[in-house]
Amino acid sequence: EVRLVESGGGLVQPGGSLRLSCAASGFSFDDYGMHWVRQGPGKGLEWVAGISSNSGSIGYSDSVQGRFSIARDNGKFSLSLQMSSLRAEDTALYYCAKARGDLLNFYAMDVWGQGTAVTVSS
Amino acid sequence: DIQMTQSPSSLSASVGDRVTITCQASYDIRDYLHWYQQKPGKAPKLLIYDAYNLETGVPSRFSGSGSGTHFTFTISSLQPEDVATYYCQQFDNVPIFGGGTKVEIK
Repeated sequence: EVRLVESGGGLVQPGGSLRLSCAASGFSFDDYGMHWVRQGPGKGLEWVAGISSNSGSIGYSDSVQGRFSIARDNGKFSLSLQMSSLRAEDTALYYCAKARGDLLNFYAMDVWGQGTAVTVSS
Repeated sequence: DIQMTQSPSSLSASVGDRVTITCQASYDIRDYLHWYQQKPGKAPKLLIYDAYNLETGVPSRFSGSGSGTHFTFTISSLQPEDVATYYCQQFDNVPIFGGGTKVEIK
């Protein structure tokens, strides 16, 4: 069974840091691009960051550029998102998603985790 | 930056009705347009990829069409289990999701 399981969410103060993880199983992790997508309370979907299968291409949304860092460990079938300088507007459910292909661009996201909640508040 | 305009933002239809949602891109994105369904409290689910390709296991009442800047998503016969929010997503450069369409049963 293809599966993505996120972890690492929680409550953090503004300006703080948090590291999210995504454990993948059931597919050849190193063949596919991966993404983080978030959804604020009552809001729509917002792409956060993405990484190609070999980490050769990485992209960030303008809203997190310079504050968040995406990485993957193909040997451990894992994806991470290091978040720093967190703001109240970063409060959201963060989803890990698998791309249908190896590139950062173009491919749809065909497998999603259940999400991990991040709350930024004092 | 590309703009994605999804409409309507919500709709209410009867069981068995044909439902259509549109997504307009501000420039040509070829067929890099995908459609997702998100039921309340659940993760999004891919329904249609590359404008018109039905994801494996998705019922055939769902379909997509279009290319370039104008795209359409259709549910041919609305079922109670189709109550959800539907999102388009373009992926020409960076992924951008449309604002979503909340579909309810009348």
